[in-house]
Amino acid sequence: GESVGLHLPTLSVQEGDNSIINCAYSNSASDYFIWYKQESGKGPQFIIDIRSNMDKRQGQRVTVLLNKTVKHLSLQIAATQPGDSAVYFCAETSFNKFYFGSGTKLNVKP
Amino acid sequence: EPEVTQTPSHQVTQMGQEVILRCVPISNHLYFYWYRQILGQKVEFLVSFYNNEISEKSEIFDDQFSVERPDGSNFTLKIRSTKLEDSAMYFCASSGVGDSPLHFGNGTRLTVT
Repeated sequence: GESVGLHLPTLSVQEGDNSIINCAYSNSASDYFIWYKQESGKGPQFIIDIRSNMDKRQGQRVTVLLNKTVKHLSLQIAATQPGDSAVYFCAETSFNKFYFGSGTKLNVKP
Repeated sequence: EPEVTQTPSHQVTQMGQEVILRCVPISNHLYFYWYRQILGQKVEFLVSFYNNEISEKSEIFDDQFSVERPDGSNFTLKIRSTKLEDSAMYFCASSGVGDSPLHFGNGTRLTVT
C-alpha cells in the first residue's frame, strides 16, 4: 500500500529562523499534496496544498516544494514563531483517498 | 469560515457499551470521512462516505463500526460494543470535489474504561 513518511520526528528551531520539514511519499499516482498543522488537543488544520503539476507554491510565510522525481515534499516556514510549535503532517491523495504521514513535531525556542 | 463541528468533545464509556460520535460537515461538501488518532500516533483512516454510501473502509472499520448520514447535515460514527483499544481521538473530516483538502473537526476524545 501507499506510505507517507517523514525524515525527522522532531525539529527544534530558534524563533525567527526558517524551518524546513520534509516528507517522503511512495505513491507515484498521487496527484495532490497537503500540509497540515496539528496543535495539542485539536484537529489537523490545513496549511497549504500543491498539485502534482506544480513544483512550488507559496503562501503567507509558508512554501511547499514538490519533487516528483524523488517523491519528496517539503514545507518551509519563514521567520518561525512560537505559535508555529505543533506537529506537522503531510498528506498525499488521489481520487479523494488521503494518506497521512506520522508527523514532525516542531519546537520553536524563544 | 465554515468548519466541521464534532460532538461531544470527550466521551467516556464502559467496555461493551455503544457510542455514537456526531459530526456536522461543511455544508457544501460531498465527501465525508472518519479518522482516528491514538495518542502520539499518526492519523489513521477509518472510512469514507460519498453519495449516501461507504466508498472505502480500512481494516480497523470492522463490523462493530457503522456510519450514517441520517439527514442533510449530520454524519455519525457508531461503535456497537466498545473495546479498550477503541480509546482514541476520532476526527470527522469533509471535502469538496476535485483537488480539495480535507477539513477536520476538533475531534471527540473517546475513553473506554
